[in-house]
Amino acid sequence: DSGVTQTPKHLITATGQRVTLRCSPRSGDLSVYWYQQSLDQGLQFLIQYYNGEERAKGNILERFSAQQFPDLHSELNLSSLELGDSALYFCASSANPGQKNTEAFFGQGTRLTVV
Amino acid sequence: GDSVTQMEGPVTLSEEAFLTINCTYTATGYPSLFWYVQYPGEGLQLLLKATKADDKGSNKGFEATYRKETTSFHLEKGSVQVSDSAVYFCALRGGSYIPTFGRGTSLIVHP
Repeated sequence: DSGVTQTPKHLITATGQRVTLRCSPRSGDLSVYWYQQSLDQGLQFLIQYYNGEERAKGNILERFSAQQFPDLHSELNLSSLELGDSALYFCASSANPGQKNTEAFFGQGTRLTVV
Repeated sequence: GDSVTQMEGPVTLSEEAFLTINCTYTATGYPSLFWYVQYPGEGLQLLLKATKADDKGSNKGFEATYRKETTSFHLEKGSVQVSDSAVYFCALRGGSYIPTFGRGTSLIVHP
């Protein structure tokens, strides 16, 4: 058990809809990362939050947004969903994002299927 | 920017065979290097890491050596087991400090 909790585990929704994925980081970790895993793109970095503030952005679409709350949990909001958004979405956390030698701890992921 | 290239899979081996999964990287600054493993239906978990040149990371019989001159971090295991079947990701944390991953290599081990 990594200590990172993601809900829900599975989500099926229709095109054009909006969904929210939730992540609770490991106790004490201030930094949260969101990744999208698809068969053809591998593991793509979307966005990072640190202690409530956006720290870095990767390949995140404008239809997607995220936030980190005072209790450090994070939510990833996906809107105007398209079939191509179907993927596994992972949240990861780490203790000190300013240290290169620290590992990231991953949740079990949310599998999103857009039909 | 930072990037990781690893060999495409699937890699299919018989039990007790020798495993090598190649990984090369491009990074700004002096990165730390990682191998993660993903078992079916689970998230990624750290397998091993190395933080400076010539360091060897090892865990559960897997090894990888940080080679700065060839910018490589190849994963090896002398004798694989069926339970090693999983997807293996090479990763780095470089100048951006963002964990950057390769596309993953699927390993299938047959009895």
